[in-house]
Amino acid sequence: SQTIHQWPATLVQPVGSPLSLECTVEGTSNPNLYWYRQAAGRGLQLLFYSVGIGQISSEVPQNLSASRPQDRQFILSSKKLLLSDSGFYLCAWSPWPMNTEAFFGQGTRLTVV
Amino acid sequence: AQSVTQLGSHVSVSEGALVLLRCNYSSSVPPYLFWYVQYPNQGLQLLLKYTSAATLVKGINGFEAEFKKSETSFHLTKPSAHMSDAAEYFCAVTLSGDMRFGAGTRLTVKP
Repeated sequence: SQTIHQWPATLVQPVGSPLSLECTVEGTSNPNLYWYRQAAGRGLQLLFYSVGIGQISSEVPQNLSASRPQDRQFILSSKKLLLSDSGFYLCAWSPWPMNTEAFFGQGTRLTVV
Repeated sequence: AQSVTQLGSHVSVSEGALVLLRCNYSSSVPPYLFWYVQYPNQGLQLLLKYTSAATLVKGINGFEAEFKKSETSFHLTKPSAHMSDAAEYFCAVTLSGDMRFGAGTRLTVKP
């Protein structure tokens, strides 16, 4: 069966520090991969999605970036965090090419102080 | 790009009452549509999905939704609310790889 791992679960970082959140999927090949951010009362904002290695689509201009160095690994990064980067970050995958439901990780609560 | 709009950020019902959470979509062609539930500090769990088969879709925990092309809607219903249904609910749409979510509706169930 397929599983998705996302870590860390919680993170407190100072303003201006770098960020690296990692997500890996097991039990499937060539998944679509997603990073979402959830701010209080604002739903899920799609940040990045990837349909293959090295193929990243960015939805909003910001100081975050994403990379997919391996088929089932998706990394969210920042060189310098801002206070506004605080939120709940969710990684998800969906099977390709069926493009049906997305399966979510447990999320990372990021607080920038 | 496709999108969904959820009407009502908060819905409150009494235990045993009908639950109705509204979702309208915008898409140039019929998309795939989903309802997810989220409990505090957790990821999202799929309730049900519409993938162009039957327009009335039944999901887990007694929820169902009906796809209405003429109204571009995909409202979520449950005949009788239970205390354990209290959570945040998200409608989502996808066409070609980018799954997009609504702002969410927080459901409160009163005893």
